[in-house]
Amino acid sequence: EPEVTQTPSHQVTQMGQEVILRCVPISNHLYFYWYRQILGQKVEFLVSFYNNEISEKSEIFDDQFSVERPDGSNFTLKIRSTKLEDSAMYFCASSENFVYLDTGELFFGEGSRLTVL
Amino acid sequence: QQQVKQSPQSLIVQKGGISIINCAYENTAFDYFPWYQQFPGKGPALLIAIRPDVSEKKEGRFTISFNKSAKQFSLHIMDSQPGDSATYFCAASMRETSGSRLTFGEGTQLTVNP
Repeated sequence: EPEVTQTPSHQVTQMGQEVILRCVPISNHLYFYWYRQILGQKVEFLVSFYNNEISEKSEIFDDQFSVERPDGSNFTLKIRSTKLEDSAMYFCASSENFVYLDTGELFFGEGSRLTVL
Repeated sequence: QQQVKQSPQSLIVQKGGISIINCAYENTAFDYFPWYQQFPGKGPALLIAIRPDVSEKKEGRFTISFNKSAKQFSLHIMDSQPGDSATYFCAASMRETSGSRLTFGEGTQLTVNP
């Protein structure tokens, strides 16, 4: 069964450092997302990406965050200067179509846990 | 207005019992309501979803009941099994935002005792 894969599974970094989280979406999917989940809290939308540009971003996704699809398979989230409050599980997801359509099911990866010290 | 409120925070049910998780929303522009199941160490996975043109959707032991006038929807798990023990999230999306953002509830940790 096709799946979304994420690396690294866990990253520990110092405050102020740059972090890149990597994702390989399902191959025939066209829509890509990043969500995050602070420990014990709800899953929060960060950004969606389609046709090589950001479709939508949340209030959380400020200038410290950026996304990129550097090639035909990878989708990355970069945090330029990490803060303590960036510590969370970051989930990449992909879908074949818009979320609300029958073919728009989101498939999530297993997440990358980011710990900022 | 973008929030989805979920209750209870945690739920303990005996094997064979019915698990009921409730969600409420404010924004009437929401038009797609999925439920996600998350096991420890895994990402959320779509369980079942409903649109506001129907009041109920059933898939196996899982049923969504939707009350448009009350702006509420709920997940019912019939004949709950220990393997159903997981965290359940309701969510909502609206076509107006290009259908790309899911707004999640706070989650319910379900434990089904053998």
